[in-house]
Amino acid sequence: EVQLVESGGGLVQPGGSLRLSCAASGFTFSSYWMHWVRQAPGKGLVWVSRINSDGSSTSYADSVKGRFTISRDNAKNTLYLQMNSLRAEDTAVYYCARDCTGGVCYDYWGQGTLVTVSS
Amino acid sequence: DIQLTQSPSFLSASVGDRVTITCRASQGISSYLAWYQQKPGKAPKLLIYAASTLQSGVPSRFSGSGSGTEFTLTISSLQPEDFATYYCQQLNSYPQTFGQGTKLEIK
Repeated sequence: EVQLVESGGGLVQPGGSLRLSCAASGFTFSSYWMHWVRQAPGKGLVWVSRINSDGSSTSYADSVKGRFTISRDNAKNTLYLQMNSLRAEDTAVYYCARDCTGGVCYDYWGQGTLVTVSS
Repeated sequence: DIQLTQSPSFLSASVGDRVTITCRASQGISSYLAWYQQKPGKAPKLLIYAASTLQSGVPSRFSGSGSGTEFTLTISSLQPEDFATYYCQQLNSYPQTFGQGTKLEIK
């Protein structure tokens, strides 16, 4: 059974940092591209970042470029999102999601982890 | 960036109704469109990919159609468990944007 389990969320002050993790199981993690998607309270889904299967290529939304870094450890079956210089507008539930074969969808999602940026 | 506009944003319907949600893209995206269902407090669930392909395990009352800039999600006969928020997503180019969502409520 495919499982994605996020962790690392919490309350952080503006300007602070946080690292999210997404532990994957039930599939060959190293074969799949992965994404982070976030959802502010009561709002819609917003794509944040993606990484290819071996970690050599990444993309970011303009709103987080230069502040967030996506990475992965295929030996540990874990995806990461390092978030620096956090702002109030980064407050959201962060989901990791697996890219479908062929890049036509996200077929599995984690349960999400809440990040709250507030003083 | 490619903008996706869903209509309507809110929809009130009854069990057994047939409903259609439209997603319009600001530029052509071929068939690189997916539909997701999200219930409160839960992660999104994939329903349809490549505009019209039903994800494994999803009931056949869900169907998708369209290509280019206009797409539809149809639920042929609403069931109680279908009341949720639905999102379209384009996967033609980065950033892979989502529509604003359509909240389907019980009438």
